[in-house]
Amino acid sequence: AQKVTQAQTEISVVEKEDVTLDCVYETRDTTYYLFWYKQPPSGELVFLIRRNSFDEQNEISGRYSWNFQKSTSSFNFTITASQVVDSAVYFCALTVVGGGADGLTFGKGTHLIIQP
Amino acid sequence: DTAVSQTPKYLVTQMGNDKSIKCEQNLGHDTMYWYKQDSKKFLKIMFSYNNKELIINETVPNRFSPKSPDKAHLNLHINSLELGDSAVYFCASSQEVGSATQETQYFGPGTRLLVL
Repeated sequence: AQKVTQAQTEISVVEKEDVTLDCVYETRDTTYYLFWYKQPPSGELVFLIRRNSFDEQNEISGRYSWNFQKSTSSFNFTITASQVVDSAVYFCALTVVGGGADGLTFGKGTHLIIQP
Repeated sequence: DTAVSQTPKYLVTQMGNDKSIKCEQNLGHDTMYWYKQDSKKFLKIMFSYNNKELIINETVPNRFSPKSPDKAHLNLHINSLELGDSAVYFCASSQEVGSATQETQYFGPGTRLLVL
């Protein structure tokens, strides 16, 4: 069985600050995918990034960056120069490759509040 | 064009009723899913389905049943609704399970179900 832990229930920062959302996962499988999804106040789930277990390169996309470290089973997400529009609930998720259609195992989410 | 759509967006009903939520995807994916998001925002897989198999999360009551008229649709039927069924239900789809390149799940906008 897989498990995803997002220890930060809620984070509040002032606009333009950098913020890091933590994600720690557990799986016995050696081949898996990790994801981040954003859920803004409007409620939809927006895909942000997918990372496979063989690719530990960090990724940067604009103000967003992701740090994947297999040694610590972590897949952290950093927003640089945060903006009010970044306010949302962010979910980290995991699925194993070839594990049948088991679906995603989600963390409980981190509610990010960006104050103007 | 909406990739994954769900209807209705809101559903208010009385206990004991039977209701359905429809889901359609136009991404050409062959695996579809239903997730439940509870009042604490926790997301949990309910079903996953492709043309080969239906995988049911063992914790889902048998009052819930998915029906797939074709590859692009996976509807969710709920019999004898209970108060505890109140939640947001998300449909999602992905490319063939087990594919090394396409396991990203794209979500519909969600259906907010309120049982009175």
